Amino acid sequence: ETGVTQTPRHLVMGMTNKKSLKCEQHLGHNAMYWYKQSAKKPLELMFVYSLEERVENNSVPSRFSPECPNSSHLFLHLHTLQPEDSALYLCASSAIRAGGTEAFFGQGTRLTVV
Amino acid sequence: DQQVKQNSPSLSVQEGRISILNCDYTNSMFDYFLWYKKYPAEGPTFLISISSIKDKNEDGRFTVFLNKSAKHLSLHIVPSQPGDSAVYFCAASGMERDDKIIFGKGTRLHILP
Repeated sequence: ETGVTQTPRHLVMGMTNKKSLKCEQHLGHNAMYWYKQSAKKPLELMFVYSLEERVENNSVPSRFSPECPNSSHLFLHLHTLQPEDSALYLCASSAIRAGGTEAFFGQGTRLTVV
Repeated sequence: DQQVKQNSPSLSVQEGRISILNCDYTNSMFDYFLWYKKYPAEGPTFLISISSIKDKNEDGRFTVFLNKSAKHLSLHIVPSQPGDSAVYFCAASGMERDDKIIFGKGTRLHILP
């Protein structure tokens, strides 16, 4: 149990579907992140929320829409995805502090777009 | 343009021997470095970190070495155990509050019996 929980663990969706990924952290952290891991690519940072405010949007297509209603919850809303969006989507959280900080990850959602 | 590079996609090491995983970075503003371990179907797990004021940090079987002039760090695992078989990600960030963590592509470590 890492303290960061993602649901669902696996998701298969059609290109016309709308779905949401959910992340919840129980670590008292105040920053949350969405990462994408595709085969043979580095972990790609998608979005960062710091104190519930989006501070980073790494040129992610608008078919991915994040939502952070409070410091413990993070969502990634998906609509009209493409097959190349199939990947492992990882949520992470961290404390905000100077001096370096480590992020703690959830187990990820394996997304397949058909 | 990759700022954090792990040039070896995979590495095989005999059980009981030392595993050495390497990582290079290009951004001289990075001041904090991390290693994560990832099993299949799980999220990465934080393993060990080092800040730029140190050149070595040790935690049990795991030691991270940092060479700032060469922009190079390495993770040593000794002795290697079967449970160490996983993908290892090197990551780096600045020391400021909002600095994001940049990950490498990972190195798959196989521990051979």
